[in-house]
Amino acid sequence: DIQMTQSPASLSASLGETVTIQCRASEDIYSGLAWYQQKPGKSPQLLIYGASSLQDGVPSRFSGSGSGTQYSLKISSMQTEDEGVYFCQQGLKYPFTFGSGTKLEIK
Amino acid sequence: EVQLQQSGPEVGRPGSSVKISCKASGYTFTDYVMNWVKQSPGQGLEWIGWIDPEYGSTDYAEKFKKKATLTADTSSSTAYIQLSSLTSEDTATYFCARLSGRGSYYFDYWGQGVMVTVSS
Repeated sequence: DIQMTQSPASLSASLGETVTIQCRASEDIYSGLAWYQQKPGKSPQLLIYGASSLQDGVPSRFSGSGSGTQYSLKISSMQTEDEGVYFCQQGLKYPFTFGSGTKLEIK
Repeated sequence: EVQLQQSGPEVGRPGSSVKISCKASGYTFTDYVMNWVKQSPGQGLEWIGWIDPEYGSTDYAEKFKKKATLTADTSSSTAYIQLSSLTSEDTATYFCARLSGRGSYYFDYWGQGVMVTVSS
């Protein structure tokens, strides 16, 4: 199975700050990476797919980049509503696997 | 508007089974593969498996092959997951999620989740 290692496990950011979350795959996943945001008691919401494509309706301050085994999610200007847990997911091979999550809070 | 409406919370005794539903609306049910994902309390996400509603074909993650059974009813656009031989390890929230993409895949719509509690 492809292992997904996400970092950091948690971070806090000030309003307007740029935030970056990293995800590393145990093998090349050829940009087959998605990012999700999950708020307490809610289901995950798709933010980015194909490593860098923004899902419809997601604010443009979210962006994804990377290739091979290294990927990142960037929030260009932290907002209050961006608090939550962020997960990466590889969609290249079954079984699909997720990173362990990054908890993002407002400082 | 695409919606995945799941059934309500379940409590099951150890050794018993529970069956959760996921009713799809807003799209053609047979056009997309439905997946199931487990989230244990305070933990991350685990992919359980998928079902192709058009053909009834399924695939499971290895650790769920003896635990979960996926079915679908095209007449009601509803997918189901049955969890058998329940243990405390099965206490978790279970999500259905629609699969999208070509070549690389992602979950573009999710149900609200069903909390399953295993307790005697």
